Amino acid sequence: GAGVSQSPRYKVAKRGQDVALRCDPISGHVSLFWYQQALGQGPEFLTYFQNEAQLDKSGLPSDRFFAERPEGSVSTLKIQRTQQEDSAVYLCASSPTRDPTAGELFFGEGSRLTVL
Amino acid sequence: AQSVTQLDSQVPVFEEAPVELRCNYSSSVSVYLFWYVQYPNQGLQLLLKYLSGSTLVKGINGFEAEFNKSQTSFHLRKPSVHISDTAEYFCAVRGSTLGRLYFGRGTQLTVWP
Repeated sequence: GAGVSQSPRYKVAKRGQDVALRCDPISGHVSLFWYQQALGQGPEFLTYFQNEAQLDKSGLPSDRFFAERPEGSVSTLKIQRTQQEDSAVYLCASSPTRDPTAGELFFGEGSRLTVL
Repeated sequence: AQSVTQLDSQVPVFEEAPVELRCNYSSSVSVYLFWYVQYPNQGLQLLLKYLSGSTLVKGINGFEAEFNKSQTSFHLRKPSVHISDTAEYFCAVRGSTLGRLYFGRGTQLTVWP
């Protein structure tokens, strides 16, 4: 596609529910990132994939958070047993390079999660 | 450790006035610095980046930033803003781990007619 696509754009969940957020990166992009952006804050790193390999998951806030990219393209961020503090915008970004910090990240519009 | 401080959460200016958005960083690795812009209901978009070389970096839409190593700053400037520049601006620094960026809290620039 033309850009990074994320779905759903908005998700309301009751506390304790599981949610899955999807990211379609730009075709051919090697690197994929998930960031969490709480209200009034900048994006915070969650995890990083290079193709299907998850190279860094140190930013995931708890073991309720899980991300995968099984075929090296589409990625899913899953949050189990959601809590109110999980309410945030979840941003996906992709890059065509293996060292994306030397270049540009292409961001999707985000998935806004509200946990009631 | 890496971190970014954006000193102003909101900057209101009138159209055609100059603007400076401030960013200070700390980094224990080679410094790569970035400014991203987020227009309403859109994803973040790269404005400009400093990797090495000239300390004055020019970006899109007439923005520029100057890397100052002694002051650990990377302030963003534009000599004359337009209403269409109204957006949130994020400064970011590369982390020591491959792929990771550390973002500041953002500065909301609002341009008034």
